[in-house]
Amino acid sequence: RKEVEQDPGPFNVPEGATVAFNCTYSNSASQSFFWYRQDCRKEPKLLMSVYSSGNEDGRFTAQLNRASQYISLLIRDSKLSDSATYLCVVIPAGRRALTFGSGTRLQVQP
Amino acid sequence: DTGVSQDPRHKITKRGQNVTFRCDPISEHNRLYWYRQTLGQGPEFLTYFQNEAQLEKSRLLSDRFSAERPKGSFSTLEIQRTEQGDSAMYLCASSLEDYTEAFFGQGTRLTVV
Repeated sequence: RKEVEQDPGPFNVPEGATVAFNCTYSNSASQSFFWYRQDCRKEPKLLMSVYSSGNEDGRFTAQLNRASQYISLLIRDSKLSDSATYLCVVIPAGRRALTFGSGTRLQVQP
Repeated sequence: DTGVSQDPRHKITKRGQNVTFRCDPISEHNRLYWYRQTLGQGPEFLTYFQNEAQLEKSRLLSDRFSAERPKGSFSTLEIQRTEQGDSAMYLCASSLEDYTEAFFGQGTRLTVV
């Protein structure tokens, strides 16, 4: 089983739609969680950290469910510029390396 | 630009040749990571440094791969006797502390022909 699993998509949504991505992780003692965004042929960039209490940044909301070992990302009012691959990232317990999922591709259409 | 810097951006090499990539992290960051990414996959961890100490290595880092960070600042990743399967984007990242977000360079795209 992969340490971090994501639905690869693609998710094709119209502008203005709300879209949600989930990610599951295998190490129950993991302690740091992030969502990164990666545009085609570019480096990953931090979108937001994910806290136990959940957090929101504008149109983006991230939540963590430790009991079920999953992380979610909700994007409201999708923009064309949101089209990218969204990478779920976990730092497993006992390690320092960020462990990435394979990414979920989002395509927002006009 | 005070972000993570990688050099070269692109490298084409013949199978069997050795290649070396350089990474300059954000200046105050003493944690440095190397990753490899192929098309359609997320970045795969290769190795981690805290200052000059290499504290974590993936089993992906075969004997042909070696990384150094001699003075705790820039780092190099060398691949010896390159194979076609080594073709990938090699990403470097740095962070200020453990368990915090890392910031990535633009990567070195390696093509082995």
